[in-house]
Amino acid sequence: EDQVTQSPEALRLQEGESSSLNCSYTVSGLRGLFWYRQDPGKGPEFLFTLYSAGEEKEKERLKATLTKKESFLHITAPKPEDSATYLCAVRSYVIQGAQKLVFGQGTRLTINP
Amino acid sequence: NAGVTQTPKFRVLKTGQSMTLLCAQDMNHEYMYWYRQDPGMGLRLIHYSVGEGTTAKGEVPDGYNVSRLKKQNFLLGLESAAPSQTSVYFCASTNRVNEQYFGPGTRLTVT
Repeated sequence: EDQVTQSPEALRLQEGESSSLNCSYTVSGLRGLFWYRQDPGKGPEFLFTLYSAGEEKEKERLKATLTKKESFLHITAPKPEDSATYLCAVRSYVIQGAQKLVFGQGTRLTINP
Repeated sequence: NAGVTQTPKFRVLKTGQSMTLLCAQDMNHEYMYWYRQDPGMGLRLIHYSVGEGTTAKGEVPDGYNVSRLKKQNFLLGLESAAPSQTSVYFCASTNRVNEQYFGPGTRLTVT
């Protein structure tokens, strides 16, 4: 069974204190790993898609990396506005073009000023 | 371009009542999805649609029905609400192999 586990569940950092979030996965044939950001009371907002081990994507203070078993979301010199829950998902299979995503439980990130 | 919209934003139902959640997208996406999000459980797929007039079951379909009469709309129905259906419901849409775009969610409480 496809599974996604994110750690830690919650992380508090001081503004400017860099860190990483982890997403471990088991899937029978990875067809994409996705990172989303979710603010309280809102829907997930797409950040990155990674397809193969060694791939990296960057956006502002965020960088996502992928290995064969896990993905990391690195946050460099974070600001309070980076506070959110970060969700990881893997695309486990596709039926008639529709995607089956398996989501992790998320990491709630708080950046203190 | 509003993206994905959902109505209503909040709803309180009594056990046994019925309701329909509406999802609309203006991106001409073929694929649409309904998820529920519960604390500690992550997002779970309820039903999905690969095009107008088609629907299929996801991971947790029991107690829900869906319809896709128009390409831009995807309706989620609860015929007889139960407290276990208290959750936040998200609709998403996508084109063939790209990322899913999510709506703002509907917070449903069943008492």
